[in-house]
Amino acid sequence: DGGITQSPKYLFRKEGQNVTLSCEQNLNHDAMYWYRQDPGQGLRLIYYSQIVNDFQKGDIAEGYSVSREKKESFPLTVTSAQKNPTAFYLCASIQGTNQPQHFGDGTRLSIL
Amino acid sequence: QKEVEQNSGPLSVPEGAIASLNCTYSDRGSQSFFWYRQYSGKSPELIMSIYSNGDKEDGRFTAQLNKASQYVSLLIRDSQPSDSATYLCAVRNQAGTALIFGKGTTLSVSS
Repeated sequence: DGGITQSPKYLFRKEGQNVTLSCEQNLNHDAMYWYRQDPGQGLRLIYYSQIVNDFQKGDIAEGYSVSREKKESFPLTVTSAQKNPTAFYLCASIQGTNQPQHFGDGTRLSIL
Repeated sequence: QKEVEQNSGPLSVPEGAIASLNCTYSDRGSQSFFWYRQYSGKSPELIMSIYSNGDKEDGRFTAQLNKASQYVSLLIRDSQPSDSATYLCAVRNQAGTALIFGKGTTLSVSS
């Protein structure tokens, strides 16, 4: 089945630690996105990539980093510089500029 | 900063009633509009997309778009308890590079 796989489902971060969230898609979509959702809030864009080896900052990129070495993979690293990382992280992909985004199941990140 | 505004709710309706959810957006150049449903603890799932002015119907759902008023709405007919969720309005930016989401409206359907 085609889809977007995010892992892990739950992740805990210690102070000063970097953690990486995985996002893999087998939909052959060109564009991929990372969003952050806080309780009672909408989705805020962290980073997006429209093509391999290229990515752009979204509205809240500080404290995060990404890479796009393969079309199907778009990992997100939450660095120690992100002081409030507790949130629900969602990865999405899209083929074509007018098509809806498809979402993975999300990763819930908490601080230990 | 381009914005999408929704009433946070909660919007409470009895089973069988029509639920009406509203959304306004600031980017006048936007061309693509989407409604997502999100159950607690889950990721958003697409329920409607609309690109032209007017109404678009899909089963119990009707999306309405008025680009002149920068307004999108979602009507849910014959509301069911299983429709209880948060509904997110999303608008593609004029550049076509990303979706901008509202904060969502929480709908509660009582049986």
